[in-house]
Amino acid sequence: KNEVEQSPQNLTAQEGEFITINCSYSVGISALHWLQQHPGGGIVSLFMLSSGKKKHGRLIATINIQEKHSSLHITASHPRDSAVYICAVTDLKAAGNKLTFGGGTRVLVKP
Amino acid sequence: NAGVMQNPRHLVRRRGQEARLRCSPVKGHSHVYWYRQLPEEGLKFMVYLQKENIIDESGMPKERFSAEFPKEGPSILRIQQVVRGDSAAYFCASLITSGITEAFFGQGTRLTVV
Repeated sequence: KNEVEQSPQNLTAQEGEFITINCSYSVGISALHWLQQHPGGGIVSLFMLSSGKKKHGRLIATINIQEKHSSLHITASHPRDSAVYICAVTDLKAAGNKLTFGGGTRVLVKP
Repeated sequence: NAGVMQNPRHLVRRRGQEARLRCSPVKGHSHVYWYRQLPEEGLKFMVYLQKENIIDESGMPKERFSAEFPKEGPSILRIQQVVRGDSAAYFCASLITSGITEAFFGQGTRLTVV
């Protein structure tokens, strides 16, 4: 079993819909990151969380440390939100800030 | 993210050649991580370096791969005698400290071995 599991693997939505991506992890963590990767592109850090909830524009990220679960929500989705969204954790036992990644969720928003 | 510069963006090598991937971290960042993304797979940790030191290389293949982060200049990931299975996207991330901070990623180097 992977240390970081994401669901769904693929998601198709119509423009304007509310999108939720889930991430579960099995290790003790010091932080959880949500990242965005466009096709053929680089990786952008969206959020870093250690507790609670963060909001940036139409993106909301939440984390429940007790349940070892995080969600990324996209409100009023737009075609430009189409990308792969990756959950990553910093393992408490790991040296430095090494990240362990989920497999990613491929999001397609249709106009 | 514009602060982490990786070059080249695309690299094509024939089997048996050497590949050198460069990463210039955000100015002032002294911690560099290399990650590999194989086709249709997730990102995997390779190596963590501080200036002039390798801190954790547990994710790096034991043979043909090496990494350095000299006092002056960029971090280099070197792959000797490349094979087709080395074809992947290689990403560098930099942080200012070893504490829990946001990671800044480069655009990646896409290596194709023909």
